[in-house]
Order: sequence, then C-alpha cells, then structure tokens
Amino acid sequence: DTAVSQTPKYLVTQMGNDKSIKCEQNLGHDTMYWYKQDSKKFLKIMFSYNNKELIINETVPNRFSPKSPDKAHLNLHINSLELGDSAVYFCASGQRGGNTIYFGEGSWLTVV
Amino acid sequence: GQSLEQPSEVTAVEGAIVQINCTYQTSGFYGLSWYQQHDGGAPTFLSYNGLDGLEETGRFSSFLSRSDSYGYLLLQELQMKDSASYFCAVLSNAGKSTFGDGTTLTVKP
Repeated sequence: DTAVSQTPKYLVTQMGNDKSIKCEQNLGHDTMYWYKQDSKKFLKIMFSYNNKELIINETVPNRFSPKSPDKAHLNLHINSLELGDSAVYFCASGQRGGNTIYFGEGSWLTVV
Repeated sequence: GQSLEQPSEVTAVEGAIVQINCTYQTSGFYGLSWYQQHDGGAPTFLSYNGLDGLEETGRFSSFLSRSDSYGYLLLQELQMKDSASYFCAVLSNAGKSTFGDGTTLTVKP
C-alpha cells in the first residue's frame, strides 16, 4: 500500500502551459505539504495544509495554486509554466505536531 | 527566518564511521530531524532529536545540542548502500520543517 502517492511521476510540457499534480495520502495525517527540489537538490517547502486549511505559504509565485478538497488530498496546479519551474515536486504528509514527514515518490516536471 | 549549514559532500570507505554536522539559526526551534535520499528517490525519515543528547537507531545515531544550535548524524559501519544525500531539517514550534541543502555521502569500497 502506497502511503503518499502522487501523479503523474513524470511530466514534460511546454512553456506557458497549465498543469496539475495530484497527491493523496492514506496515513490518516492531518497535515500535507508540497516541497520543491531543484537541480541542486535543495528541498524547499512551498505550502502546508492542515485539515484543508492553508497554514504555510512560502514566497511562491501565485501561478502555483494548491487545492485541498479533503485532508487526504492536496493537489498542485501551476499556471503559465516557466523554464525555472522545472524541478521535482514532492508531496508529503505528517501528523500535526509530529516530527516525521512522509514523502511521496516525487513528480519530475520538465518545462521545455 | 531559518538557516541551516551542513557540508555539501563527504566521502568515506566501507566499514568506516562518518559524522555529518548541521548548524542552524532559527527562531521557534522545536527539534532537528535527519532524512536520507537516494538518487531518484524520495527523502525518508531517519532520526529526530527534540532534546539534547544522542538518539541511536541501529547503525545511525543523531545528536543535538540546543545551546550550541548544533547537531550531527553519525553513520557507523558504512555500507555501499549508505551512499545518498542526507538532509538535516529544523522543525519549528509552528510545525514547519526547513531543510538544509543536503550532504552527499559517497561510500567507496
């Protein structure tokens, strides 16, 4: 059973397109995250939701819009994709107040 | 804000012991975690220190000194499969985890 699953795993798209990445966790966690990992492997938090409520929103361009229909799902929609958006996007979850984050397998986004 | 420093690369031989240090500057510090990431894989949790001292989990141990804003991950009896990136992460009392830039560990035969 996959704990945190995200789709698609690989995505190649042209500049200017809009794309979405979906994420689901079956761990019963209250908190979900989106992290971005660039080509230098720097791992930066983008968003955090707790029970569908946005609690962390780092300085991310507003082209990125997360949506949490319920506490088990956190999707990421990206408008007007740019070359610099190419990265690996990790969805993750954890218990509120917990010290462990469980990551999905990542979505490799390449913008050409 | 929060900032973390860890070495970018470490190389060691099989069977050796290696220590990866992490220093941090942060407000609202709650604890320090360590994650391992193999190439092409996802970060996976290794260890957490909320209090000063040493936490041991098999071949891996992690240490925290809150007064020194310093921690380390100790890997013993290194194996080839330990070649990976290791990230320290500060957990704030607001529940946010901020990751360091990662240390690439290369284990040589």
